[in-house]
Parts: sequence; C-alpha cells; structure tokens
Amino acid sequence: EADIYQTPRYLVIGTGKKITLECSQTMGHDKMYWYQQDPGMELHLIHYSYGVNSTEKGDLSSESTVSRIRTEHFPLTLESARPSHTSQYLCASSDDPGLPSSYEQYFGPGTRLTVT
Amino acid sequence: KNQVEQSPQSLIILEGKNCTLQCNYTVSPFSNLRWYKQDTGRGPVSLTIMTFSENTKSNGRYTATLDADTKQSSLHITASQLSDSASYICVVSDRGSTLGRLYFGRGTQLTVWP
Repeated sequence: EADIYQTPRYLVIGTGKKITLECSQTMGHDKMYWYQQDPGMELHLIHYSYGVNSTEKGDLSSESTVSRIRTEHFPLTLESARPSHTSQYLCASSDDPGLPSSYEQYFGPGTRLTVT
Repeated sequence: KNQVEQSPQSLIILEGKNCTLQCNYTVSPFSNLRWYKQDTGRGPVSLTIMTFSENTKSNGRYTATLDADTKQSSLHITASQLSDSASYICVVSDRGSTLGRLYFGRGTQLTVWP
C-alpha cells in the first residue's frame, strides 16, 4: 500500500467557493502529480512538480493552481469553484528513475469533487 | 498522435472464469507499459510494468503480455474472484522527456458475478 494521502475524500461545495484539495506523501518522492478523471474516461495530467518550488502545468488546461513548499505536500487550489470543475482529482508521486523506464507512480485514493 | 485504446469497454464474467483484456497503443518512442487496477472510488494500483524487452510478466493471477512490434498488450486474469471487479487501465510511457510522460487508456470495466 502506497503512503500517499488525499483529503477530503468527498467534497460538495457551492459555486464561487474557494477550495483546497490536500495531498501528502511520506515516501520522500521528488516528483508529484495531479490528475483529473471523469467517469469512464482516461486520467488527464493537470499539474506536476519535480520538487520543492517546482510546478508545471500538465496537458489538460485547468483553472486550478498548485504549490510545492515542502517535499511531502502538494495541495491543489480552486479560487472560485464552478460546476464544470466537478470531477475526481487524483494525486500521485514517483521516485526518481535510475532508468526512465523503471519508475513507478503511486496514486492516492482521490477526491471526488461536486460543485453545485 | 500518441494514443492508448482498450477493449472491451466493459466485461461481465462469472466467478472462477478466466478473461483477457486488450490494449493497443501508438505511443512513440516507447518506454514501458503498465497495467493498473482501479477500484471504484479509489486511485489506480500498479499490477505490472513491462519494458521493450519483456514480453510477459505475471503478478499472481494476473499475466500481462507485450508485443512491441504490433504495439499490443493483453492482461489475462485467471480464476477470477469477486474482488477482481474493477477498472483495468493500460498506461504507456514514452522516452521523450525526463518526466516520462504517461498515456492512459479509458480502462476496461470488469464485473465478476458470483
């Protein structure tokens, strides 16, 4: 079982509210990721980080922002939630590949967000 | 365009039966192929990872195969159990960057009935 945690697991919130989804890992991994997944669809990378003070946007455009002040913590923030943000958000981390082919990504349990 | 296609989209089998899930990909340059199991409401959990030189890998009742020439992979589940009910996701990684970009399939939703 991977040591990566996400809170809250479920969140129902009204339009316009600011929310922060928490993600933390205790494995000391430098690389961390946020994915968005809709039912029956593939995961889409929305943010990633190579390490402390490093954040990059992923392939899927997202109005969310992330920060990486500590190695173990990678929170995602939505300044003003909208119904279009309703989705499942998955956080992941990976160790540094000695070979690019050998690294493993470990996923958290996800946060199911519903914006009404 | 780098893509990962999985079939079937969904599958129902009886407990104790075997099944095979398929994955076709167009990702290039290829680094590795992974199969993940995702239970409802949970994050994906890795089952197998195969590199270019590997054509089969087992993890208990799960056996994955890879044909890098035809860019096809399969996941065979033997003697299915109720706990195998989940989405099985094929993920392909490229060698194009240090990030090791991952391309996800949409998954095959497997339901095992008693």
